Amino acid sequence: DAKTTQPTSMDCAEGRAANLPCNHSTISGNEYVYWYRQIHSQGPQYIIHGLKNNETNEMASLIITEDRKSSTLILPHATLRDTAVYYCIVRKGYGNKLVFGAGTILRVKS
Amino acid sequence: DARVTQTPRHKVTEMGQEVTMRCQPILGHNTVFWYRQTMMQGLELLAYFRNRAPLDDSGMPKDRFSAEMPDATLATLKIQPSEPRDSAVYFCASAPPSGGTYNEQFFGPGTRLTVL
Repeated sequence: DAKTTQPTSMDCAEGRAANLPCNHSTISGNEYVYWYRQIHSQGPQYIIHGLKNNETNEMASLIITEDRKSSTLILPHATLRDTAVYYCIVRKGYGNKLVFGAGTILRVKS
Repeated sequence: DARVTQTPRHKVTEMGQEVTMRCQPILGHNTVFWYRQTMMQGLELLAYFRNRAPLDDSGMPKDRFSAEMPDATLATLKIQPSEPRDSAVYFCASAPPSGGTYNEQFFGPGTRLTVL
């Protein structure tokens, strides 16, 4: 599975959009981009995933560049409860294990 | 609200003792994962099962760790003998069968293990 690079930490004001970048320049054609987050003292939680097209669900939007070498997770209106570590993971499809990196610590501040 | 459950939530034990952690996957899920999280190493996959058969345990120290699924509703992770370096949070996750190319993993709350 391709490796990912994320900033160590980011701050965001409550109510503003949080944009979390991820580089995955070695991604191959059949690999998906997944985002999970881990709120303090809890297990990781799935957020969203995508292959080529931009995706949106009730939690977030995922923007993948045309060359697929990078992506951005967008939390449209961050709240204090969105403070967490966000993991960008590149993985082939069904059944394969998730390899977690260090992730990005997002701090949402009032 | 279906959830992965793990017991115990906290365990303090002395070096050399056997530790057993249990996981109940979400009903109907056929893939179960065991992860370990420490400050130094982050989240690491130890082993995973599909339809109760082990698929990959390459992340698990073989000499002291063992993982099993006695039935579809129970997964166990044992450490014998335990060592202080095993102190960590152990997460279990389960995933449903998928007809496509994607399956979300649902994580339990974890077992916080402290080995003195």
